[in-house]
Amino acid sequence: KAGVTQTPRYLIKTRGQQVTLSCSPISGHRSVSWYQQTPGQGLQFLFEYFSETQRNKGNFPGRFSGRQFSNSRSEMNVSTLELGDSALYLCASSLDHTNTEAFFGQGTRLTVV
Amino acid sequence: GQQLNQSPQSMFIQEGEDVSMNCTSSSIFNTWLWYKQDPGEGPVLLIALYKAGELTSNGRLTAQFGITRKDSFLNISASIPSDVGIYFCAGQTSGSRLTFGEGTQLTVNP
Repeated sequence: KAGVTQTPRYLIKTRGQQVTLSCSPISGHRSVSWYQQTPGQGLQFLFEYFSETQRNKGNFPGRFSGRQFSNSRSEMNVSTLELGDSALYLCASSLDHTNTEAFFGQGTRLTVV
Repeated sequence: GQQLNQSPQSMFIQEGEDVSMNCTSSSIFNTWLWYKQDPGEGPVLLIALYKAGELTSNGRLTAQFGITRKDSFLNISASIPSDVGIYFCAGQTSGSRLTFGEGTQLTVNP
């Protein structure tokens, strides 16, 4: 059974650009959450999706957005990139929004220059 | 909002030593999870706890769900070099999202 797949693994972008990251959850999982992790920091919650609906949102500016498709795959988008957006972006999937066991992908390392 | 305090922030130990870390919350949780993260990788779920007082083991790892439901502990026995990494606790109340601790950076000296 395949795990959570995030693409791409690494990305370098320039300030002002936008970026889209992709997450394919474990087969059968319908809930996807996104986190930002900067060096030395914990996991900062971005948003959670279930059945194509955003259920929870963290304290990030509107430049950060996401969506979920009918096959449960999710994308997150960051517009007008800033240097401070450089981070490891992690996606986690779980069976549904009531199931607590979340499984993480390997993450996408975004570097903004 | 809910807050998790995880301690210690970092630990430097010798191979073979036992390790203990804990998380405390200002709120009651229904579930506690413990994760380990290797450098450049995503966190991997180690242990899940669902009942107050529950004690669960996974190899050399043992975790406990505190009786007050506001804390959890993780112990690693006879540490080995591959135990190096960041350990995160996470808690959840019904219907809410996971709340993560700040992590404990573990270094094991051979």
